[in-house]
Amino acid sequence: EVQLVESGGGLVQPGRSLRLSCAASGFKFDDYAMNWVRQAPGKGLEWVSGISWNSDTTGYADSVKGRFTISRDNAKNSLYLQMNSLRGGDTAFYYCSKGRSSVVAATSDYWGQGTLVTVSS
Amino acid sequence: QSVLTQPPSVSGAPGQRVTISCTGSPSNFGVGYDVHWFQQLPGTAPKLLIYGNNNRPSGVPDRFSGSKSGTSASLAITGLQAEDEADYYCQSFDSSLSGWVFGGGTRLTVL
Repeated sequence: EVQLVESGGGLVQPGRSLRLSCAASGFKFDDYAMNWVRQAPGKGLEWVSGISWNSDTTGYADSVKGRFTISRDNAKNSLYLQMNSLRGGDTAFYYCSKGRSSVVAATSDYWGQGTLVTVSS
Repeated sequence: QSVLTQPPSVSGAPGQRVTISCTGSPSNFGVGYDVHWFQQLPGTAPKLLIYGNNNRPSGVPDRFSGSKSGTSASLAITGLQAEDEADYYCQSFDSSLSGWVFGGGTRLTVL
């Protein structure tokens, strides 16, 4: 059974940093691209970032480019999102999702339950 | 403003058929990227409903179907059931943005 478990969310002040983690199990992690998607409370889905199976290709939404960094550790079956210079507009549930193939362009077939990031003073 | 355009809401009575439209542009649907659909029940994570324009993952009832033509796509739900009440999102890849794009979401209400 595919499982994706996010962690690392919480309350953080504007301008500070936070690192999200996603622990994956139930599939061959290093065969698939992974993505982060966020959803502000009561709003729609917004893609944040994606990474290919071997980390060669990464992509970011314009809203986070230069502030967020996606990475993965295939030996640990883990995905990460380093978030710097956080703003109020970054407040959202952050979902980790498994790609249907090794490339970032592919959609995701499994999602975690999400972790809430609240940026507020 | 979302890159993909969906109606904010649709509704239908139990047993009826509803469709949800999703309009793209030359830089996503127009260059051949597929459309995918997600269902999000209240308080839960999104679930993949349709991938590759018209393919259902295992376990998704055949009441759900998708189509795409040119820069437009749609999701059809037949035999509407109360449990279908949810938010539905279309998603694709955009060559200009080099990333995923979503529609703004459509709330389906079962009357």
